[in-house]
Amino acid sequence: EIVLTQSPDFQSVAPKEKVTITCRASQNIGNSLHWYQQKPGQSPKLLIKYASQSFAGVPSRFRGSGSGTDFTLTINSLEAEDAATYYCHQSVGLPRTFGQGTKVEIK
Amino acid sequence: EVQLVESGGGLIQPGGSLRLSCAASGITVSSTYMSWVRQAPGKGLEWVSVLYRGGTTHYADSVKGRFTISRDNSKNTLYLQMNSLRAEDTAVYFCARSGDGNNFDQFDSWGQGTLVTVSS
Repeated sequence: EIVLTQSPDFQSVAPKEKVTITCRASQNIGNSLHWYQQKPGQSPKLLIKYASQSFAGVPSRFRGSGSGTDFTLTINSLEAEDAATYYCHQSVGLPRTFGQGTKVEIK
Repeated sequence: EVQLVESGGGLIQPGGSLRLSCAASGITVSSTYMSWVRQAPGKGLEWVSVLYRGGTTHYADSVKGRFTISRDNSKNTLYLQMNSLRAEDTAVYFCARSGDGNNFDQFDSWGQGTLVTVSS
């Protein structure tokens, strides 16, 4: 099983500041890494597919990068509506796995 | 627009059975890759099962032999039959379409989820 480890688990950030979340895979997964945003009481929403491709309709302040085992989700100029938990997910091996999540709070 | 609507959740005793449904619109379930993903209360996301458009199925080890994924093409609906339920199966269950319908990669459309509570 491919284990995805996100860091940090929690981040409190002021509006307009930058947020960086990392996701490390236990083995090489190429670019088969995807990012989701989940707000309380809602279903997850796809933000980034294949490490760096923005999903339709996602604001440009969300950026993904990385390949192999190390990946990063960056939120430039954080907005109040970005308060959520963010998950990475790999689509190479079975079972499909997710990171444990990173909760982003607005200061 | 893709819409996925889950139903069938509820309170069930350990050892019991439940069938979840995911009614789809805007897509054809038989032509796409559909999964169930669950989330225990206050916890992260866990992939449960997938049904490929060709009919192949895969399961997480934690549910293998107890859960069965299927679809009814005439109703354009995905199902998850859950047997021998355990307390640790308590979760919100989401259905999700992946890879724009063409592969089992990113989950690009999700339902709102249905809560299953296994407790005596």
